[in-house]
Amino acid sequence: GAVVSQHPSRVICKSGTSVKIECRSLDFQATTMFWYRQFPKQSLMLMATSNEGSKATYEQGVEKDKFLINHASLTLSTLTVTSAHPEDSSFYICSALLLKGSADTIYFGEGSWLTVV
Amino acid sequence: QKEVEQDPGPLSVPEGAIVSLNCTYSNSAFQYFMWYRQYSRKGPELLMYTYSSGNKEDGRFTAQVDKSSKYISLFIRDSQPSDSATYLCAMSAGGRRALTFGSGTRLQVQP
Repeated sequence: GAVVSQHPSRVICKSGTSVKIECRSLDFQATTMFWYRQFPKQSLMLMATSNEGSKATYEQGVEKDKFLINHASLTLSTLTVTSAHPEDSSFYICSALLLKGSADTIYFGEGSWLTVV
Repeated sequence: QKEVEQDPGPLSVPEGAIVSLNCTYSNSAFQYFMWYRQYSRKGPELLMYTYSSGNKEDGRFTAQVDKSSKYISLFIRDSQPSDSATYLCAMSAGGRRALTFGSGTRLQVQP
C-alpha cells in the first residue's frame, strides 16, 4: 500500500515552546491530508483537513491559532503546536488521501507522541 | 447518537477462533467503508476497503457491507495472537472528505 511518513515519532518539549510535526506522502501526491488527535483508549478525533495551496479547515473546537497547519506541497503537510501546554500532550496522527477514481483511499502515518513537560 | 457506533470490547477469543467485528452507522451518504487495525502506540493500518454494498475477501479477512441495514462487518478466520489489536471501522461519503471513525474494538487473541 501507499506510504505516509510522519516525523518525529516521539517528542518531548517544555511548556510554552512550539513543536512542528511533519507528514509526508512518500510515493504519491496528496492534495488532501488530515490531522487527527487520539487520547489513550479513544478513537481518532479529526482536528483539521489540509488542502495543498489553501488554508486548512478546522473542526469545531480546534484552535487554529494554536494548531497551525501548512500544506505547502503535494507531499508535505506540517502541524505546529504553538505555545504547547501539558494538556496538549497526545498522539497526533496524519493521513493522506490517495485519489484513485472510485477507490479513493486514506493512508495513515505512524503517529507522533507529543509530551509537554 | 454517534454517526458510527462500534462496540469497544474488549473482545477476548482463543487462538483459531472466528472473530466478528461490527459497526452500525446512520449517515446514508456513506459510500466507502474501511477497516483499520491499530497496534498500541502506532498509526492505523488499512486492512480492508469496500465501496458500496457487498463482500470482499483478503486472506483470513472478510469485509461485509449491508447499506440497507447500515451495518458493516469484519470477519477474521483462524485468529492469531498477532491479530490482537484495536480494530477501527471508518467510512466516508467520498470526495475529499475525512473519514468518520467508530470508537474501535479491542481484540485479544489468547494463545
